[in-house]
Amino acid sequence: DTGVSQDPRHKITKRGQNVTFRCDPISEHNRLYWYRQTLGQGPEFLTYFQNEAQLEKSRLLSDRFSAERPKGSFSTLEIQRTEQGDSAMYLCASSNLAGGRTDTQYFGPGTRLTVL
Amino acid sequence: DAKTTQPNSMESNEEEPVHLPCNHSTISGTDYIHWYRQLPSQGPEYVIHGLTSNVNNRMASLAIAEDRKSSTLILHRATLRDAAVYYCILRDPMGDMRFGAGTRLTVKP
Repeated sequence: DTGVSQDPRHKITKRGQNVTFRCDPISEHNRLYWYRQTLGQGPEFLTYFQNEAQLEKSRLLSDRFSAERPKGSFSTLEIQRTEQGDSAMYLCASSNLAGGRTDTQYFGPGTRLTVL
Repeated sequence: DAKTTQPNSMESNEEEPVHLPCNHSTISGTDYIHWYRQLPSQGPEYVIHGLTSNVNNRMASLAIAEDRKSSTLILHRATLRDAAVYYCILRDPMGDMRFGAGTRLTVKP
């Protein structure tokens, strides 16, 4: 069981730069979620995929954010023209909703972004 | 989205039971009650979930009120490794998860 992995674990960037994060879900999981978490707060939902289709996006996901899951396996989250307010932990989770009515999400360790 | 209310923090002694409450008075008939926890410097971890009946697993028990407007996560014997932030989340079957601020559990030796 390799679990959900995220890369990189830490990223420091300067304001205005673009950054891209990668998430590798548990094999065969059809759902993949992205969350953002700031210090002292619970994770905030950003978006999720069912296979390669992006089914929902939060209003938190501004035009500077884009997520892809091109082959229904790994996913990338890109932030363009980063701002200091983007500094947060970015969490990925995956699940397998195979005919069930709810799913259990398995989270990765997160990517901590610091924008200087 | 249906909201949950949890105490900001709770303390427990090691090897004693812990009851973590959650109020969700606006729960709908199809909402599942999920509990996750987050240990320091880690991503959240699934604990348990239920719909109407009480549930038990190796980690914890979930007691759901008859009217479903509240629930309680029960850790039968708290250990130092149970110190974490515990999140109570309502989730409709096909929806995403909306975390609140959770309850920070401190376990004292």
